[in-house]
Amino acid sequence: GQQLNQSPQSMFIQEGEDVSMNCTSSSIFNTWLWYKQDPGEGPVLLIALYKAGELTSNGRLTAQFGITRKDSFLNISASIPSDVGIYFCAGGSGNTPLVFGKGTRLSVIA
Amino acid sequence: ETGVTQTPRHLVMGMTNKKSLKCEQHLGHNAMYWYKQSAKKPLELMFVYSLEERVENNSVPSRFSPECPNSSHLFLHLHTLQPEDSALYLCASSQDEFAGANVLTFGAGSRLTVL
Repeated sequence: GQQLNQSPQSMFIQEGEDVSMNCTSSSIFNTWLWYKQDPGEGPVLLIALYKAGELTSNGRLTAQFGITRKDSFLNISASIPSDVGIYFCAGGSGNTPLVFGKGTRLSVIA
Repeated sequence: ETGVTQTPRHLVMGMTNKKSLKCEQHLGHNAMYWYKQSAKKPLELMFVYSLEERVENNSVPSRFSPECPNSSHLFLHLHTLQPEDSALYLCASSQDEFAGANVLTFGAGSRLTVL
């Protein structure tokens, strides 16, 4: 089946640093989604991308839909303590279920 | 209430117990999902319902039994579970089933521990 490779698996950064994470796949997707999951909560949508090459921002977050449609990245600028959590990418295509990555666990050191 | 609500948030059960997880969505969506989340694994899709009819069952053991009485409510009935079934069970909804453009809205999850 389709799989997403999400990296890195975990990150420890200082408050104020920028963060970058990505997802790659051997399959083409028509949609890329980025979710964040806080401890003890369900994933919450951060950014949705629907077009190859699309670059979308949500506050300090920026995500891009790769031009090949096989990858996407998420950047967080000037990290703050509340950015702590697990970030998931998900790819969607046609009438098939979303495929999720294993997540990137972000820890921010104040 | 707004969004997707799951109860209970935490459940501890023995292997011989019968319990149920409940999910309610207040978004007017037509599709509802059960996912299993285990440590260091991708989210595993268990069941999908669209307009109260089951459209996907990803080879889930029969000890998990879903029920969707209407488009706003979804249950997961649990019976004779195994310790490896311990996980966070997430309910989600979307406007329609699948279709990559449809964003999933998740509940907060039910943390299940099987002793």
